[in-house]
Amino acid sequence: SQTIHQWPATLVQPVGSPLSLECTVEGTSNPNLYWYRQAAGRGLQLLFYSVGIGQISSEVPQNLSASRPQDRQFILSSKKLLLSDSGFYLCAWSVRGKGNQPQHFGDGTRLSIL
Amino acid sequence: QKEVEQDPGPLSVPEGAIVSLNCTYSNSAFQYFMWYRQYSRKGPELLMYTYSSGNKEDGRFTAQVDKSSKYISLFIRDSQPSDSATYLCAMNAGGTSYGKLTFGQGTILTVHP
Repeated sequence: SQTIHQWPATLVQPVGSPLSLECTVEGTSNPNLYWYRQAAGRGLQLLFYSVGIGQISSEVPQNLSASRPQDRQFILSSKKLLLSDSGFYLCAWSVRGKGNQPQHFGDGTRLSIL
Repeated sequence: QKEVEQDPGPLSVPEGAIVSLNCTYSNSAFQYFMWYRQYSRKGPELLMYTYSSGNKEDGRFTAQVDKSSKYISLFIRDSQPSDSATYLCAMNAGGTSYGKLTFGQGTILTVHP
């Protein structure tokens, strides 16, 4: 069966510090991968998606970037965090090439910026 | 107008009640519909996935889609305290390789013993 791992589960960072959140998927090959941010009471906002290694698409302009160095690894980064980057970050995967398939989520990273 | 509207609740019901959760949408291109359950401090978990009008049943859960009215529902029978969570509807128009989902805002449900 497929599993998705995210770490760390919780992170507290000062303003201006760098960020690296990692997500890995097991049990499937060539998945589509996604990064979302969920603010309290505001639903899920798609940040990035990737249909293959090195292929990253951004949905919204922001202070963050994403990379996919391996087929089942997705990384969310920032060089200098802002207060507005606080939130709950979720990684998800879906079957590649099938745009109608549901997405499956990890348990997220709760990021607090001080 | 948001593409997907979902009553945020909160919704509080006694154990054993039938729960109805609803979403309306404006984009007629949406063809695939999902319901997710999200416990506090966890990621959303897929509950139901449907792609046609009508009903789909899985245990105590029934998903209903009415494309003519642009309305979807999730019914929970014999609700349990363990059903207490936030429920998110999501939908997808298909036609792309990466599957862009549009989510509702989520409904907070509490089932009390």
